[in-house]
Amino acid sequence: EAGVAQSPRYKIIEKRQSVAFWCNPISGHATLYWYQQILGQGPKLLIQFQNNGVVDDSQLPKDRFSAERLKGVDSTLKIQPAKLEDSAVYLCASSLDQGREQYFGPGTRLTVT
Amino acid sequence: KNQVEQSPQSLIILEGKNCTLQCNYTVSPFSNLRWYKQDTGRGPVSLTIMTFSENTKSNGRYTATLDADTKQSSLHITASQLSDSASYICVVSGQAGTALIFGKGTTLSVSS
Repeated sequence: EAGVAQSPRYKIIEKRQSVAFWCNPISGHATLYWYQQILGQGPKLLIQFQNNGVVDDSQLPKDRFSAERLKGVDSTLKIQPAKLEDSAVYLCASSLDQGREQYFGPGTRLTVT
Repeated sequence: KNQVEQSPQSLIILEGKNCTLQCNYTVSPFSNLRWYKQDTGRGPVSLTIMTFSENTKSNGRYTATLDADTKQSSLHITASQLSDSASYICVVSGQAGTALIFGKGTTLSVSS
């Protein structure tokens, strides 16, 4: 069974630029999550989708971050404009349904200079 | 406030030795507790999951314990291998469907 796919794996941008990350969850998984993991910290949930609807985006900095999952499968996370403190690993995870075990992708390491 | 605290922050042990990682939580209500292993540059991978009624769960050389009364969990690694070098993250789930609460992790380095 294929796991959660993410791209790109690494990205370096300058502050104030924009960037987008892509996630393809495990086939059949209704729930998709985006996490931000700063070095030395545990992952922090940014947004949770159930199919193509948003369940929880309470910790998403909506002035600069946006995410969508239009067809209920793939998802993109965008940052515009980026700040230095956005440097982190962005993890995508999916689960069969809410509350079920989450499977994580390899993450995208973002460096903002 | 729902929190998950892990100790130690980092640990260095010799190959073949055993070690124990600790996790204390204040999450309430409690649904389950998971231990994840995160290799450098990879996403977390689940090792064990325990519900309120489970005291211990093993996965190969990994054994997790849970004391729901004191809200403490431990992860014991037996006969460590170089490939055990990773970050180990304790994750607690409250009510079903609510967001997971992650600890900051313990970074384990196994040296030869």
